[in-house]
Amino acid sequence: NAGVTQTPKFQVLKTGQSMTLQCAQDMNHEYMSWYRQDPGMGLRLIHYSVGAGITDQGEVPNGYNVSRSTTEDFPLRLLSAAPSQTSVYFCASRTGLGRDGYTFGSGTRLTVV
Amino acid sequence: AQTVTQSQPEMSVQEAETVTLSCTYDTSESDYYLFWYKQPPSRQMILVIRQEAYKQQNATENRFSVNFQKAAKSFSLKISDSQLGDAAMYFCAYQYNTNAGKSTFGDGTTLTVKP
Repeated sequence: NAGVTQTPKFQVLKTGQSMTLQCAQDMNHEYMSWYRQDPGMGLRLIHYSVGAGITDQGEVPNGYNVSRSTTEDFPLRLLSAAPSQTSVYFCASRTGLGRDGYTFGSGTRLTVV
Repeated sequence: AQTVTQSQPEMSVQEAETVTLSCTYDTSESDYYLFWYKQPPSRQMILVIRQEAYKQQNATENRFSVNFQKAAKSFSLKISDSQLGDAAMYFCAYQYNTNAGKSTFGDGTTLTVKP
């Protein structure tokens, strides 16, 4: 079982460039989320989805877009990369049951120069 | 809004000893779940243990156990017989039972295990 697959694992962007971080899960999970991890700041929620066609903003959504056309995929788009978006990005999924914790992808380390 | 606080940025423990990581949270809800996640140097986040707020009994998973004090809003993680492989960053997380999809994480505690 693949679980949650994130690509790429590493990426360097120039300021102003756009790109999409891919996330796919094969567990038929309803809920999917994107978090960013910065030193000393834990995990901060960017966007999340409770099902195909439904997305909502987290605590740090500016500069990012998401869509959820299928249950399996939840891509994160950086519209115009900025150095402040240098971070490690994690995609995570879980069932609709509140008792179930998240399954995380292995993360993408993004550097914006 | 819910907040999760881990007051110990770093902790260390001698191999085979016991260590306790602290976590407090703030919520006005009564139906929620609490989790501890482990992030080793590989960066992969792993769910360690879960506590259901309506259960008084503390959760246990092998060498990992929690001390859940609902009134005090405290949720500490105890690691017994520490092993070198326990070295990692540990995150405490709160999840409201019906708050669609969102978990709130603490800032993490880095645990070092000394041989």
